[in-house]
Amino acid sequence: KQEVTQIPAALSVPEGENLVLNCSFTDSAIYNLQWFRQDPGKGLTSLLLIQSSQREQTSGRLNASLDKSSGRSTLYIAASQPGDSATYLCAVDSDRGSTLGRLYFGRGTQLTVWP
Amino acid sequence: NAGVTQTPKFQVLKTGQSMTLQCAQDMNHNSMYWYRQDPGMGLRLIYYSASEGTTDKGEVPNGYNVSRLNKREFSLRLESAAPSQTSVYFCASSEVLTGGYYGYTFGSGTRLTVV
Repeated sequence: KQEVTQIPAALSVPEGENLVLNCSFTDSAIYNLQWFRQDPGKGLTSLLLIQSSQREQTSGRLNASLDKSSGRSTLYIAASQPGDSATYLCAVDSDRGSTLGRLYFGRGTQLTVWP
Repeated sequence: NAGVTQTPKFQVLKTGQSMTLQCAQDMNHNSMYWYRQDPGMGLRLIYYSASEGTTDKGEVPNGYNVSRLNKREFSLRLESAAPSQTSVYFCASSEVLTGGYYGYTFGSGTRLTVV
């Protein structure tokens, strides 16, 4: 069974800092890995998706890397802003036959960026 | 706006009562999912439907039933609610994008309390 772990569980930083959020998974047989953002009381918004054959994806101030063989991904947030405050969830998409398309989630990193 | 719509947004049930959570998507996606999110936990898959007319169990299916009424709608039913089912429930749909990977869209959630 796929297990996804995110470190740290919570992070509080001043505005302007560069941040690294970590995600690890136990089964390297994944189809892709996604990072989501969740605001309080809201649904999930997809930030970045990395296919298993890729090493990284970038969107604006966000950069996500994937090392499939070691079961690790990092989400790098440059020049953090108060508007980045949210919970960031890592999820992997298993590539095992009928479970294709099912996501396994970590518990998330709760980020607070203060002015 | 196109997306995934969940109803109701909030619900309080007494132990033993039944109810159905509704989910509809207007993006013509084939696959739909029900997840639950408990405090401090990642999302866990309850049931999913790879296509109209098919449903499969996820990680935590006990106490739930689902119906894929048509391509748009995927409902989750609690036949006899228990306090352990207090959670936030998310519906999602997915499509196969270029490259064969899945793009997900999540609803905003149903916050259910069982007393």
